[in-house]
Amino acid sequence: ETGVTQTPRHLVMGMTNKKSLKCEQHLGHNAMYWYKQSAKKPLELMFVYSLEERVENNSVPSRFSPECPNSSHLFLHLHTLQPEDSALYLCASSQVPAGGYEQYFGPGTRLTVT
Amino acid sequence: AQSVAQPEDQVNVAEGNPLTVKCTYSVSGNPYLFWYVQYPNRGLQFLLKYITGDNLVKGSYGFEAEFNKSQTSFHLKKPSALVSDSALYFCAVRIPAGTALIFGKGTTLSVSS
Repeated sequence: ETGVTQTPRHLVMGMTNKKSLKCEQHLGHNAMYWYKQSAKKPLELMFVYSLEERVENNSVPSRFSPECPNSSHLFLHLHTLQPEDSALYLCASSQVPAGGYEQYFGPGTRLTVT
Repeated sequence: AQSVAQPEDQVNVAEGNPLTVKCTYSVSGNPYLFWYVQYPNRGLQFLLKYITGDNLVKGSYGFEAEFNKSQTSFHLKKPSALVSDSALYFCAVRIPAGTALIFGKGTTLSVSS
């Protein structure tokens, strides 16, 4: 595997389910990110994990909880989601600061909440 | 507050013609600027970045971008468009003193044959 991988690629879940999204980066980077991409809206940064900072976007509901056990893996735990949470969830990684801060993205998980 | 604006939702250009996708930014200090492309059902792909140095930055797939400090712009350009360039393009700026990026809302580029 190369680059940034995400599993599953597609997920359909009910509002009462609990699921997790997984992201793995094979680039040796030291920072990882979760973004939400909804139709007609800008990418929304949800969470950042890096040696320099850990950032949680205060506008992200508590039904989303991140976990970063090491610099290569990132999870997004989902529970009691709402239909408006249906979106493409993108994971990214970067090398900071020496790497120049450009982020490399995975293919995303298309989440549908029914 | 830091922000990025992409004033055009869609840009249409004929194959072989030059293309420009516009981006303006507002950020304190020296900006780190980026362009990404997204094809359907794919993640974002990094095209190029500006940190310092020459105002004209060259990137992947023949794309380049021109940094203009006085106009606070970072427009993406390509001398000759290809149909395969049709995609969604995002401009982004690094948050000062942080690692996160702020993205514009995206511009859909449509290249007709």
